[in-house]
Amino acid sequence: EDQVTQSPEALRLQEGESSSLNCSYTVSGLRGLFWYRQDPGKGPEFLFTLYSAGEEKEKERLKATLTKKESFLHITAPKPEDSATYLCAVQAGGAQKLVFGQGTRLTINP
Amino acid sequence: EPEVTQTPSHQVTQMGQEVILRCVPISNHLYFYWYRQILGQKVEFLVSFYNNEISEKSEIFDDQFSVERPDGSNFTLKIRSTKLEDSAMYFCARGGGGSGEKLFFGSGTQLSVL
Repeated sequence: EDQVTQSPEALRLQEGESSSLNCSYTVSGLRGLFWYRQDPGKGPEFLFTLYSAGEEKEKERLKATLTKKESFLHITAPKPEDSATYLCAVQAGGAQKLVFGQGTRLTINP
Repeated sequence: EPEVTQTPSHQVTQMGQEVILRCVPISNHLYFYWYRQILGQKVEFLVSFYNNEISEKSEIFDDQFSVERPDGSNFTLKIRSTKLEDSAMYFCARGGGGSGEKLFFGSGTQLSVL
């Protein structure tokens, strides 16, 4: 069974304090690993797709990386508006569905 | 501009009642999905719908659930006899259906079963 585990569950940082979020996965035949941002009461908002180990994607203060067992979302010099829950999801095998982790709730204090 | 519009944003119903949640995709895509998120839990896959047929469904999607695209645009999720445990945020998503293709989610319908 495909599994996705995110850590930590919650992270509180000061504005400008860089850190990383972890997503560990076990799947049969990874087709894509996705990072989404979710604000309270809203649907997930797409950030990145990674397809193979060694791949990296960047967007503003965020950078996502992928290995064969885990992905990291690095956040550099975060701002309060980066506060949200960050979700990791995988698509694997012949399935269309995404399997989500439980998310990391990130809070950036000014 | 939202990729997917969901109505209503909130729905309160009594246990045993039928509810219909609606999704209107902005652009003309063939693949649609329903996911749900119980408060404090993971986002869970319910069903995928392609070319007016269910293409994949989870164990959660039992006989109480059905999906259809009655008029070629709106995409609906029906729960025939709601239970307390159906209380959740329900998200519609659309995608291209390709391998590793991203999904665009709506803002969700918060369903509360009393």
